Amino acid sequence: DAGVTQSPTHLIKTRGQHVTLRCSPISGHKSVSWYQQVLGQGPQFIFQYYEKEERGRGNFPDRFSARQFPNYSSELNVNALLLGDSALYLCASSLYSGGSETQYFGPGTRLLVL
Amino acid sequence: KQEVTQIPAALSVPEGENLVLNCSFTDSAIYNLQWFRQDPGKGLTSLLLIQSSQREQTSGRLNASLDKSSGRSTLYIAASQPGDSATYLCAVTRNAGNMLTFGGGTRLMVKP
Repeated sequence: DAGVTQSPTHLIKTRGQHVTLRCSPISGHKSVSWYQQVLGQGPQFIFQYYEKEERGRGNFPDRFSARQFPNYSSELNVNALLLGDSALYLCASSLYSGGSETQYFGPGTRLLVL
Repeated sequence: KQEVTQIPAALSVPEGENLVLNCSFTDSAIYNLQWFRQDPGKGLTSLLLIQSSQREQTSGRLNASLDKSSGRSTLYIAASQPGDSATYLCAVTRNAGNMLTFGGGTRLMVKP
């Protein structure tokens, strides 16, 4: 069975540009969450989506947005990129949105902003 | 606001040692606690999930304990191997949602 997949694996952008990151959850999983992991730190929660609705939002500026599609895949969009947005962006999926669910992480997209 | 701290930040041990990684959290009103492993430049692999009503979970050479009232969890690794070298992260969820709040991780190196 395929795990969580993310694309692209690596990305280089310049300040002010826009980026779209994509995530496909494990088949049958309806919940997708996004995390940002800056080098040397633990991941920080950005968004959670369940059944195409936003269920949670972390402490990130409005430049960050996301959506979930009918097939439960998800996109994370970041506008007006800053140098500080350079990080590993992780997607996690779970069957439902409940706290008892184990979350399964993808390999991440490494974004470098120059 | 929930804060999760992991001590030590880095640890180097010879192969075969038993070791303990520590995780503490400031708000004891958690729903569950998970331990993850992260290899360099890679995503996270879930190792153990402990529900708030449980005291410990075991998987192979790994044992995780949870003391919710004191805001502490430990991950015990028995007979460490070079293949255990990785960063270990603990994370807690609040209430019934599954937004994870992570610690900064412990970077473990097991020397042959």
